[in-house]
Amino acid sequence: DIVMTQSPLSLPVTPGEPASISCRSSQTLLHSNGYTYLDWYVQKPGQSPQLLMYLGFHRASGVPDRFSGSGSGTDFILKISRVEADDVGVYFCMQGLLTPRTFGQGTKVEIK
Amino acid sequence: DVQLVESGGGLVVPGGSLRLSCAASGFTFGRYWMHWVRQVPGKGLVWVSRVNPDGSIVDYANFVNGRFTISRDNAQETLYLQMNSLRGDDSALYYCARVELVADDYVAFDVWGQGTMVTVSS
Repeated sequence: DIVMTQSPLSLPVTPGEPASISCRSSQTLLHSNGYTYLDWYVQKPGQSPQLLMYLGFHRASGVPDRFSGSGSGTDFILKISRVEADDVGVYFCMQGLLTPRTFGQGTKVEIK
Repeated sequence: DVQLVESGGGLVVPGGSLRLSCAASGFTFGRYWMHWVRQVPGKGLVWVSRVNPDGSIVDYANFVNGRFTISRDNAQETLYLQMNSLRGDDSALYYCARVELVADDYVAFDVWGQGTMVTVSS
């Protein structure tokens, strides 16, 4: 199985400041079609997970452009340009290349 | 509204069985692959199983080891997970999730239920 490793696991942030989460996969997520099969999900307090980004850097419907995804191969970054209070939650990366789908441990973003 | 509602969770003794259900509404259920994902509260997400639209293709996580069976009834718009020989480490919140084509030949989990809790304990 592909192992997904996130860091940090806890991220206290100041509103208005940027935040960055790293995700590393144990093997490349680059598909032969040229796409990178990496998604980001966020689980806000008391809620189910929701899709944030797909194929590395495509924002899901309704996701503000404060969120951006980057990276290739095995190393990926989720950035929030200016954190807002509503962004608190646990952020998970997930590989969609192989079955079983595997997730990172999650990064808990909280307001300082 | 597009919605998934799980049910069937509860307290069961080790070695026991449970059948989870996931009722779909607001979309054409029979056109979508469906998955089960579980989460120990406060912990990470773990993929469990998936089934294709007509129920002819199923996959399971290695830890299932023949104990779970995923199935669906498209006429009733319901997804199931029959879980047998339950163990303590199966205790988790079980989510059903729909995958949607979000780009050429790529799907992502776009709709999740609220989850149903399974607790395996004597």
